[in-house]
Amino acid sequence: EAGVTQSPTHLIKTRGQQATLRCSPISGHTSVYWYQQALGLGLQFLLWYDEGEERNRGNFPPRFSGRQFPNYSSELNVNALELEDSALYLCASSGGQDANTGELFFGEGSRLTVL
Amino acid sequence: QKEVEQDPGPLSVPEGAIVSLNCTYSNSAFQYFMWYRQYSRKGPELLMYTYSSGNKEDGRFTAQVDKSSKYISLFIRDSQPSDSATYLCAMRGGSNYKLTFGKGTLLTVNP
Repeated sequence: EAGVTQSPTHLIKTRGQQATLRCSPISGHTSVYWYQQALGLGLQFLLWYDEGEERNRGNFPPRFSGRQFPNYSSELNVNALELEDSALYLCASSGGQDANTGELFFGEGSRLTVL
Repeated sequence: QKEVEQDPGPLSVPEGAIVSLNCTYSNSAFQYFMWYRQYSRKGPELLMYTYSSGNKEDGRFTAQVDKSSKYISLFIRDSQPSDSATYLCAMRGGSNYKLTFGKGTLLTVNP
């Protein structure tokens, strides 16, 4: 069974540009979570999507946005990039037979570098 | 005060040592407690999962939760070089599936 897949693996952008990151959840999972892992800050919760709806949002500015598609895949958009947006962006999914524990299954992440 | 506090280390131990990793938290609503392991350049993977207070053992790993003290621990017995990774504690409430993570502790087990 395929795990959570994320693309691109690496992305280099300059300040002010926009970045789009994509995530495909495990088959049967309906929830997708986005986390930012910046150096020294741990995993910071960004967004939670379930059944196509945004369920919860972390303490990030509105230029961080996303959506979930009918096939449960998701994309994260970061507008007006700033240097401090440089981080590993992790996507996780849950649901299906794993719904009871709420365990999150993570992808390998997309490393965004803002120059 | 942060919701979840975890000493980032780094922690370096010799092979075979017993390792103790800890987190404290402030939110009384947390009911589910997890430990994730993250190898370098990889996503986190679930190591241990516990609900409410008590101990849970899985091979060389033991997870402890003390809700009265708002304190959770992960013990690794007979540590191996392959245990070298960052260990992240995570927790959530009953109805909210959003996980709140600690900063992670970087562990190195030296052969």
